[in-house]
Amino acid sequence: DAGITQSPRYKITETGRQVTLMCHQTWSHSYMFWYRQDLGHGLRLIYYSAAADITDKGEVPDGYVVSRSKTENFPLTLESATRSQTSVYFCASSPPYNEQFFGPGTRLTVL
Amino acid sequence: GQQLNQSPQSMFIQEGEDVSMNCTSSSIFNTWLWYKQDPGEGPVLLIALYKAGELTSNGRLTAQFGITRKDSFLNISASIPSDVGIYFCAGQPQGGSEKLVFGKGMKLTVNP
Repeated sequence: DAGITQSPRYKITETGRQVTLMCHQTWSHSYMFWYRQDLGHGLRLIYYSAAADITDKGEVPDGYVVSRSKTENFPLTLESATRSQTSVYFCASSPPYNEQFFGPGTRLTVL
Repeated sequence: GQQLNQSPQSMFIQEGEDVSMNCTSSSIFNTWLWYKQDPGEGPVLLIALYKAGELTSNGRLTAQFGITRKDSFLNISASIPSDVGIYFCAGQPQGGSEKLVFGKGMKLTVNP
């Protein structure tokens, strides 16, 4: 089915572990985004990508790494997870200068 | 960074009532978007606005792009229980940035 998917939907990990959240879209949108959503802060942009092999920092990039080797995939890696990274993570995609479409989210808990 | 002021932060209404919410900014925006987020799900796009003064409807939803390009409102008419959720405004700032600025959301509760 066409759309944007995220995996896993739920993840529990421990402090210091590496975690990778996956995002896949079938629209061939050029832009992809990663957000985190926390109470009191709303949606905050972590990283975004304008095209394969082009990525840039958002508002809260520290502790995260992204890559985009293929247009349809945009994984987000927490290199050494911390409790402050407990959050709900959303991936989104959009054509250039247009509305963004969001995935269902990944709920991450860091113990 | 740029911020959107979304108000009110929450509303409790009775089924059948109309509800209105708005977003304001100190900066000019090229695009205004309204999203709804159900519990445990990602935001879903409801309405997109691209021109100052534009008024767009989607079923019981109506949204307008403010003339000054610094505000937008969303109205929901004849609310039903499934309207419950969090409504977010978002905008693309003038200057052509591909990044959206989001409001903090309005939580809507509809009492049957």
